[in-house]
Amino acid sequence: NAGVMQNPRHLVRRRGQEARLRCSPMKGHSHVYWYRQLPEEGLKFMVYLQKENIIDESGMPKERFSAEFPKEGPSILRIQQVVRGDSAAYFCASSPLEGDTGELFFGEGSRLTVL
Amino acid sequence: GENVEQHPSTLSVQEGDSAVIKCTYSDSASNYFPWYKQELGKGPQLIIDIRSNVGEKKDQRIAVTLNKTAKHFSLHITETQPEDSAVYFCAASVDKLIFGTGTRLQVFP
Repeated sequence: NAGVMQNPRHLVRRRGQEARLRCSPMKGHSHVYWYRQLPEEGLKFMVYLQKENIIDESGMPKERFSAEFPKEGPSILRIQQVVRGDSAAYFCASSPLEGDTGELFFGEGSRLTVL
Repeated sequence: GENVEQHPSTLSVQEGDSAVIKCTYSDSASNYFPWYKQELGKGPQLIIDIRSNVGEKKDQRIAVTLNKTAKHFSLHITETQPEDSAVYFCAASVDKLIFGTGTRLQVFP
């Protein structure tokens, strides 16, 4: 049973470009979470999605960031007009449980570098 | 919202010694407290978790204690080994996991 798959593992963008990060949850999981990790820091919650629904986006910056989890295909975290401060590791996690939190299974992360 | 504090930020121990990492949380409604281990360049992996109806849980060399009254929980690793070296994160959850800032544990042979 494959784990949470994230791609790309590494992404380099110049300021002003767009970054798209993809996440395929574990088989049978319909809940996806995105976290951001700055160098030498902890994991900051960004957004929680179910298929075709954003449940909690309280950690998402109000501008330039968006997330989706379509009926078919992976979840996408999109960052428009990237700035140097967006450089970080972005982790996706999935869970089979609805409502109350259980174990989150994390992917290996996508490391975004903005030049 | 929930706020989780974690101490210490770095911890160095000799192989065979014990290591203790402590966390406090702010939201008394939190009911799930996992601990994750993150190795360099990898994603976090769950090593142990505890729910609010339990005060202590043990899995081989790893144990977690929870004091709901004081709103703090701790990770205990006994007989540490060099492969225990990693960054450890605590987290607390009502409806989403909120993480502490991490503890970098180094175990010297």
